[in-house]
Amino acid sequence: RKEVEQDPGPFNVPEGATVAFNCTYSNSASQSFFWYRQDCRKEPKLLMSVYSSGNEDGRFTAQLNRASQYISLLIRDSKLSDSATYLCVVKNAGNMLTFGGGTRLMVKP
Amino acid sequence: NAGVTQTPKFRVLKTGQSMTLLCAQDMNHEYMYWYRQDPGMGLRLIHYSVGEGTTAKGEVPDGYNVSRLKKQNFLLGLESAAPSQTSVYFCASSPGQETQYFGPGTRLLVL
Repeated sequence: RKEVEQDPGPFNVPEGATVAFNCTYSNSASQSFFWYRQDCRKEPKLLMSVYSSGNEDGRFTAQLNRASQYISLLIRDSKLSDSATYLCVVKNAGNMLTFGGGTRLMVKP
Repeated sequence: NAGVTQTPKFRVLKTGQSMTLLCAQDMNHEYMYWYRQDPGMGLRLIHYSVGEGTTAKGEVPDGYNVSRLKKQNFLLGLESAAPSQTSVYFCASSPGQETQYFGPGTRLLVL
């Protein structure tokens, strides 16, 4: 079983739609959680951290459920520029990051 | 401020050849990392360094060696390349227990 699991997609949504991605992790001792965004043939970039109380950054909302070991990312009012692969990332001891395989999003006009 | 840079951007090797990938960062970060990314696998940590002169193994270290002789540089070596090492290699750096910043990647094809 992979330590961080994501649905690879692709999720095909129209502009303006709301879309949600989920991620599960297996290490209950994981300390921190992130969503990274990766554009085609580019490097990953931090989108947002995920806090236990849930957090929002503009159109993006991230939630963490430690009991279920589950992380989510909600994107409202999708834009064409949101098309990318979204990587769920978990930090364990020693500042090591473990990456999920990514969920691909395609926003269509 | 260039951030994290990687050299080369793309390389083709024959099986058994050797090469070194260079990662450089100008942010004075202590931590540096080498990952490989393969389709459907996510990024996997090869080796990392928590400071100048230190290195440690990650999840998939076999077939690779690293060196951190200067704080700003982290080198990844392949002594005898194999087709299984065909991948995209990303270097990253971080100031500590915080966000990792990635370089643009090196695409390696081993024939």
